[in-house]
Amino acid sequence: EAGVAQSPRYKIIEKRQSVAFWCNPISGHATLYWYQQILGQGPKLLIQFQNNGVVDDSQLPKDRFSAERLKGVDSTLKIQPAKLEDSAVYLCASSPDRTGTEAFFGQGTRLTVV
Amino acid sequence: GNSVTQMEGPVTLSEEAFLTINCTYTATGYPSLFWYVQYPGEGLQLLLKATKADDKGSNKGFEATYRKETTSFHLEKGSVQVSDSAVYFCALSDRQAGTALIFGKGTTLSVSS
Repeated sequence: EAGVAQSPRYKIIEKRQSVAFWCNPISGHATLYWYQQILGQGPKLLIQFQNNGVVDDSQLPKDRFSAERLKGVDSTLKIQPAKLEDSAVYLCASSPDRTGTEAFFGQGTRLTVV
Repeated sequence: GNSVTQMEGPVTLSEEAFLTINCTYTATGYPSLFWYVQYPGEGLQLLLKATKADDKGSNKGFEATYRKETTSFHLEKGSVQVSDSAVYFCALSDRQAGTALIFGKGTTLSVSS
């Protein structure tokens, strides 16, 4: 079974530029998550989708971050404009449903804002 | 709100030593509890889980018991190996509310031979 795919693996941008990350979840998984992991900290949820609807985006900085999951499969996360404090690893995860079963994580995208 | 607190690291042990990483949680509802591990250069992967009080999760020699009375889910291993060197994250989710995983800050384990 293929895992969660993310791209790119690494990205370096200047502050105020924009960047987008892509995620392809495990086939058939209805729930998709984007997490932000700052160095030395645990992952923090940014947004949770159930199929193509948003379940929780309460911690998403909506003035600069946006995410979509068209057709309930792939998802993109965008940052515009980026700030230095956005430097982090962005993790995508998926799970079959929302009943507290485990989430499967991708390798992540390491973003460096300079 | 729901939260997870785990012991600060790093934890440095010699091979074959006993390992305990403490994790306590605060939750309303019906949390499921998890330990995830992140090996160097790899993604997060599930190590073990428990979905109700008194359940014991186990995998690869690691164990953790869901203790509702002490709101704890401590990770233990009787004899660590160099290959266990990684960052360990305690996490919870509310299966009734369908919430996403909430993670602790992580504990770095370094095992030397």
